[in-house]
Amino acid sequence: DADVTQTPRNRITKTGKRIMLECSQTKGHDRMYWYRQDPGLGLRLIYYSFDVKDINKGEISDGYSVSRQAQAKFSLSLESAIPNQTALYFCATSDLGSPYEQYFGPGTRLTVT
Amino acid sequence: DAKTTQPPSMDCAEGRAANLPCNHSTISGNEYVYWYRQIHSQGPQYIIHGLKNNETNEMASLIITEDRKSSTLILPHATLRDTAVYYCIVRVDKAAGNKLTFGGGTRVLVKP
Repeated sequence: DADVTQTPRNRITKTGKRIMLECSQTKGHDRMYWYRQDPGLGLRLIYYSFDVKDINKGEISDGYSVSRQAQAKFSLSLESAIPNQTALYFCATSDLGSPYEQYFGPGTRLTVT
Repeated sequence: DAKTTQPPSMDCAEGRAANLPCNHSTISGNEYVYWYRQIHSQGPQYIIHGLKNNETNEMASLIITEDRKSSTLILPHATLRDTAVYYCIVRVDKAAGNKLTFGGGTRVLVKP
């Protein structure tokens, strides 16, 4: 079984809809991250969490919110989806002692029409 | 910033060693070298990292020059499943949540 799982893997939604992307990990890591990837733009950090009570905005948090329900679960919500949020979304985790050794989920391909 | 320079692409024969170079001439003394790869449409995958000593794990070996200005990732016996974009990273943004910043990377094509 994969260490970092994401659901759904693919989603098509309409402008204005609220959508939640979920991430679960079994690595026992404290730190979790949400990135988005767009062609030609690389990875951009949306939100990160160093533990259940510590959630921080990344470089592109506008239009997104997150919830760290437990050490193993970190959800990303798009409150009112817009077409330019169409992207590939990745969740990642890392251990406190090796923060740059990050383990990524398989990704969620989101299309907003 | 400790920027990295990698060749944009390279081919490798299946079963042979793949040697992926990376230049990072402005690396500072406390910056590690990390390697990741991304197979098409999959999540990035951590491979290995090192500071100044050579490192080896089940996936690859990392050779860092003595002056730390360059490094080489070695995939000892490349397989078709190693076809991916490989990223060398030395710039990690501690002020921004341990954000990983991938550069252009090297697109590696393993051929039968």
